[in-house]
Amino acid sequence: GAGVSQSPSNKVTEKGKDVELRCDPISGHTALYWYRQSLGQGLEFLIYFQGNSAPDKSGLPSDRFSAERTGGSVSTLTIQRTQQEDSAVYLCASSLDRALGQPQHFGDGTRLSIL
Amino acid sequence: SQKIEQNSEALNIQEGKTATLTCNYTNYSPAYLQWYRQDPGRGPVFLLLIRENEKEKRKERLKVTFDTTLKQSLFHITASQPADSATYLCALGGDDKIIFGKGTRLHILP
Repeated sequence: GAGVSQSPSNKVTEKGKDVELRCDPISGHTALYWYRQSLGQGLEFLIYFQGNSAPDKSGLPSDRFSAERTGGSVSTLTIQRTQQEDSAVYLCASSLDRALGQPQHFGDGTRLSIL
Repeated sequence: SQKIEQNSEALNIQEGKTATLTCNYTNYSPAYLQWYRQDPGRGPVFLLLIRENEKEKRKERLKVTFDTTLKQSLFHITASQPADSATYLCALGGDDKIIFGKGTRLHILP
């Protein structure tokens, strides 16, 4: 399909391990977002990429979190030394550009469980 | 700080009736407001956009209003169907930022 693809769909790991989550945005979309959604909570903004501009990292909760976007397409979100409070659904979204109001197209997320 | 409030309790509506969901906000002057639908285990899906200079937008059975004086948006689903059951999120945006509410769960009862 032509939608946003995220992998893995589920990830269970032990506390202290590193995890890497992947997002394939819609082809041609220059804007890419990562969010975290915990049970009963709204979408918590993590990081935003727009074209070749420096990413907006203002939402990353700690220096254990990092993300990159290679070639303006695929993005990976890395969480180092995972903690139990990192358990959540991590959602990726892309949009055509940064014009105000551009709809975001979401993937179905990676459900991360830290044991 | 900026705050978005959506009814945290689930809303139960009889099939065929109009469902109305509320999104209130404080400490913010958004340039636009969006509504998304989210089904369990899925990512949100964009439904409607309304800009600050617009009062109302319609799309099929959906209608959104935006009152910048009351700092409120209302989202209506007319002739509701069980398939409309989902969580509905409002999102406020301006400049480079967008903020999502926690969503309201809607149940359409057959």
